[in-house]
Amino acid sequence: DAGVIQSPRHEVTEMGQEVTLRCKPISGHNSLFWYRQTMMRGLELLIYFNNNVPIDDSGMPEDRFSAKMPNASFSTLKIQPSEPRDSAVYFCASSLAQGAGYEQYFGPGTRLTVT
Amino acid sequence: AQSVAQPEDQVNVAEGNPLTVKCTYSVSGNPYLFWYVQYPNRGLQFLLKYITGDNLVKGSYGFEAEFNKSQTSFHLKKPSALVSDSALYFCAVRDVSNYQLIWGAGTKLIIKP
Repeated sequence: DAGVIQSPRHEVTEMGQEVTLRCKPISGHNSLFWYRQTMMRGLELLIYFNNNVPIDDSGMPEDRFSAKMPNASFSTLKIQPSEPRDSAVYFCASSLAQGAGYEQYFGPGTRLTVT
Repeated sequence: AQSVAQPEDQVNVAEGNPLTVKCTYSVSGNPYLFWYVQYPNRGLQFLLKYITGDNLVKGSYGFEAEFNKSQTSFHLKKPSALVSDSALYFCAVRDVSNYQLIWGAGTKLIIKP
């Protein structure tokens, strides 16, 4: 299996622009997670999907952030409009099931820089 | 409140020596415990987990971790460190009733030749 695939790997954009990050989870996994990692705040869970349905989006910073999962093999995280404080590494992770004992598998991340 | 603590920001070990990266947790109910490693410019990679059973768990790359319920700890260990083990290590815990992983702040492990 190719693992979790994320694109793009790097994104540089200007403040105010729309940014869309993409994720393809591991085939057969039915839980998908979006995380953000910064030096200041560490690893933060933004949103969690189970069977393509958003379960908890309480970690989404504000209305500028939105996430979708139209099918089991694709998810997007959109920031509109982007701000410099959104600069971070964004990770997508998937797991086989919702159960507590299942580990998450992470993608390589998207490094976002907003100038 | 549920929490995970990694008390050391950085651990320095000479190559060939044993290493320990510490993790303590606080969670209601039985904990499910995980260790992940992050190499530079890479995503987090699963190392090992404790669900139930034997308190000593073996994982990838020769790492192991010992679950200690009385001390609420889950320290990561390796008998002989390699330079290639240098990375950022994260401990995480999940309550059996909660899907969400609670992450430690991470410990930077530096193995010197």
